[in-house]
Amino acid sequence: DIQMTQSPSSLSASVGDRVTLTCRTSQSISTYLNWYQQKPGKVPKLLIYAASSLQSGVPSRFSGSGSGTDFTLTISSLQPEDFATYYCQQSYLTPLTFGGGTKVEIK
Amino acid sequence: QVQLQESGPGLVKPSETLSLTCTVSGDSIRSNYWSWVRQAPGKGLECVGYIYNTGTTNYNPSLKSRVTISIDTSKNQFSLNLNSVTAADTAVYYCARLRAVAGSVGWFDPWGQGTLVAVSS
Repeated sequence: DIQMTQSPSSLSASVGDRVTLTCRTSQSISTYLNWYQQKPGKVPKLLIYAASSLQSGVPSRFSGSGSGTDFTLTISSLQPEDFATYYCQQSYLTPLTFGGGTKVEIK
Repeated sequence: QVQLQESGPGLVKPSETLSLTCTVSGDSIRSNYWSWVRQAPGKGLECVGYIYNTGTTNYNPSLKSRVTISIDTSKNQFSLNLNSVTAADTAVYYCARLRAVAGSVGWFDPWGQGTLVAVSS
């Protein structure tokens, strides 16, 4: 299985901050990488697919980049509604696997 | 818009079979791949498996011997059976559409609301 490592596991940030989350894979996956946001008690929501494509309806402050084994999700200006847990997921090989998540908390 | 809704028992006894159904509206189940993802309490996400309209399936090897996913095109539904359950199978089970590009599966969107299934006697 492809192992997904997200860092940090949690972070504290303030509204307006630029936040960068990292996802590293155990082998190269080209750009077969997707990002999700999950708020407590809620359903995961697709933010970014194919490493850098913004899902329809997702605010442009979210962006994704990377290829190979190293990927980032950037929130350019953190908003109150962005406090959540973020997961990466690879679709290069089955089984499809997710990272352990990064929890973004209010400072 | 596309909506998915899980249904099934919220409590299953150890060693018995967990059975869930996902009803899809706003899209034909004859297109796309359809999947089950689970999340144990306080834990991350795990893909259980997925199915295509031809009946072709792909299961997580960690569960493969216990999982069956099936599809009913006449009802626009797909189902999950997980047998010989233990407490470790307690989780919120989500159904989700699995988008594919150029024949390769990709991302999960949208998701159902999820249903909590507890395994307990």
